[in-house]
Amino acid sequence: AQKVTQAQTEISVVEKEDVTLDCVYETRDTTYYLFWYKQPPSGELVFLIRRNSFDEQNEISGRYSWNFQKSTSSFNFTITASQVVDSAVYFCALKGLTGGGNKLTFGTGTQLKVEL
Amino acid sequence: GAVVSQHPSRVICKSGTSVKIECRSLDFQATTMFWYRQFPKQSLMLMATSNEGSKATYEQGVEKDKFLINHASLTLSTLTVTSAHPEDSSFYICSATGGAGLTEAFFGQGTRLTVV
Repeated sequence: AQKVTQAQTEISVVEKEDVTLDCVYETRDTTYYLFWYKQPPSGELVFLIRRNSFDEQNEISGRYSWNFQKSTSSFNFTITASQVVDSAVYFCALKGLTGGGNKLTFGTGTQLKVEL
Repeated sequence: GAVVSQHPSRVICKSGTSVKIECRSLDFQATTMFWYRQFPKQSLMLMATSNEGSKATYEQGVEKDKFLINHASLTLSTLTVTSAHPEDSSFYICSATGGAGLTEAFFGQGTRLTVV
């Protein structure tokens, strides 16, 4: 069975602060993908990143960075110098390619509020 | 990135009527489409997986006779909520995957269904 845990239900920060969203996962698959999606108030899911289980290299994209630690089964997401437009719900998701049935399992999401 | 279009974005219907939601992949062939349901402030729950040309696979607890899924072509899947009731009111969102190298799922804009 697959499981994704986002322990932070809601985070509030002041603009320009850095913020890290935690994601811990469980899977028996040796080959899997991890994702982050952003869901703004309008509802659509915006794809942010995909990481496969064999690539532990951290990634930076502008103000966004991701830290994949296979040893702790974590895939944390950091927003540097947060902006009001970053306010949204962020979902971490896991897709296992064998036992997971190629299905995406979502965490419960973290509501990020960035205030002026 | 790949584009998935979902229609309608909002629908209000009377109790007892049926509602059809369309999910189209616009620039790739979607061999697999997924339908999710999301209650307010909650995560996405997978309802069913549909592969083109075959019957959908429903998750445990999802009534297949109530939520009819058709995936007749590689670019279109439909979800019909039959005899809708107020408890069916929710945000429904589809995703599509498939095509060469497409391991991430791309999501439609979602449909907010309100049954009155």
